[in-house]
Amino acid sequence: DTGVSQNPRHKITKRGQNVTFRCDPISEHNRLYWYRQTLGQGPEFLTYFQNEAQLEKSRLLSDRFSAERPKGSFSTLEIQRTEQGDSAMYLCASSESILTEAFFGQGTRLTVV
Amino acid sequence: AQKVTQAQTEISVVEKEDVTLDCVYETRDTTYYLFWYKQPPSGELVFLIRRNSFDEQNEISGRYSWNFQKSTSSFNFTITASQVVDSAVYFCALSEAIGNAGNMLTFGGGTRLMVKT
Repeated sequence: DTGVSQNPRHKITKRGQNVTFRCDPISEHNRLYWYRQTLGQGPEFLTYFQNEAQLEKSRLLSDRFSAERPKGSFSTLEIQRTEQGDSAMYLCASSESILTEAFFGQGTRLTVV
Repeated sequence: AQKVTQAQTEISVVEKEDVTLDCVYETRDTTYYLFWYKQPPSGELVFLIRRNSFDEQNEISGRYSWNFQKSTSSFNFTITASQVVDSAVYFCALSEAIGNAGNMLTFGGGTRLMVKT
């Protein structure tokens, strides 16, 4: 078990381009979470999946953001028409149940230029 | 609305000193969880502890200890005999303890701890 894996680790993109990040949770963890962390701040909750169902979405998740978890295993987070304000670290976490703690990946650092 | 405040943005100590990281929270929920996570330079958040709001017992794990005071809405974290490897950003976090909210965390702004030799 290698823990929560996120790819890519770094992404630099031009404003207006679309980007997609991938998260592979710990196997057998049916709950998956996305967070965003800007420099010098704590992470902010974006969205949450239980298996393939997206159960919660933060108001931070604008229409340009979409997350999927098609088979209840890995998840993707897509940002369309990126803006400079989207520059941040995007963190993924997974947990076995609501009663157990979440384990975080190392994140994908997005820079929009 | 939930809020977590970590007033200390940065703390610098010399190795072997004890250090306490403060955390104050606000919530209208009667049942909630409190957490501490460590974020080393590699970026990965490392889970340290989760505490249920009904359990006010303090906890000790090696050099780490936590003081939960419901009366003052605080959940402070103390590292005894600090080491250079403790250098990291530490986050306090809060979640509801009902439904599916268990790991939908509200984080504080973090405290950067620097331990020098």
